[in-house]
Amino acid sequence: GAGVSQSPRYKVAKRGQDVALRCDPISGHVSLFWYQQALGQGPEFLTYFQNEAQLDKSGLPSDRFFAERPEGSVSTLKIQRTQQEDSAVYLCASSEKRQRSGNTIYFGEGSWLTVV
Amino acid sequence: RKEVEQDPGPFNVPEGATVAFNCTYSNSASQSFFWYRQDCRKEPKLLMSVYSSGNEDGRFTAQLNRASQYISLLIRDSKLSDSATYLCVVTSDGGKLIFGQGTELSVKP
Repeated sequence: GAGVSQSPRYKVAKRGQDVALRCDPISGHVSLFWYQQALGQGPEFLTYFQNEAQLDKSGLPSDRFFAERPEGSVSTLKIQRTQQEDSAVYLCASSEKRQRSGNTIYFGEGSWLTVV
Repeated sequence: RKEVEQDPGPFNVPEGATVAFNCTYSNSASQSFFWYRQDCRKEPKLLMSVYSSGNEDGRFTAQLNRASQYISLLIRDSKLSDSATYLCVVTSDGGKLIFGQGTELSVKP
């Protein structure tokens, strides 16, 4: 399809396990965002890429969280040594232009992570 | 204090009712404002942008008061299909989107 694609859609991880979540943005989109959404809460900003450059990672909750976008297209969010509080939906979004006010961003359906 | 605050609800209303959602934001430098809609177990989708002069899209009216840092969404003649969570969104530092926690709406027959 032409939308933002995320995989896996659902992931159950044992506490302490490492996980990797993949995002395929809309082709040609410059900006890519990761958000974390806990149950009953709104999405919380994690990090932002402009092409391959990670320009803002202020929302990453700990050094266990790492994101990359090496070729400016597909992005991976990696969580090391998962904890129960990491259980959430991880949403990826992309935007055609550089991050600025007013740009429309498009979300993927999210990767649902449950840490047991 | 969260940067964007909303009443979490839920709002339970009958079909045809008018319902209003309120939102306040703390960053006076915010430039753009939106309402997003999120259906259960789905991604957020843009409902409408919010302009200083107020704007309307069919049954939906959005208003912004920059002085009070307050945003509202009014839904008239509510439909069953309006049942969803409504997220108030503002832009912050460099344009990234900051979401409120969402207000859940349930429209009953």
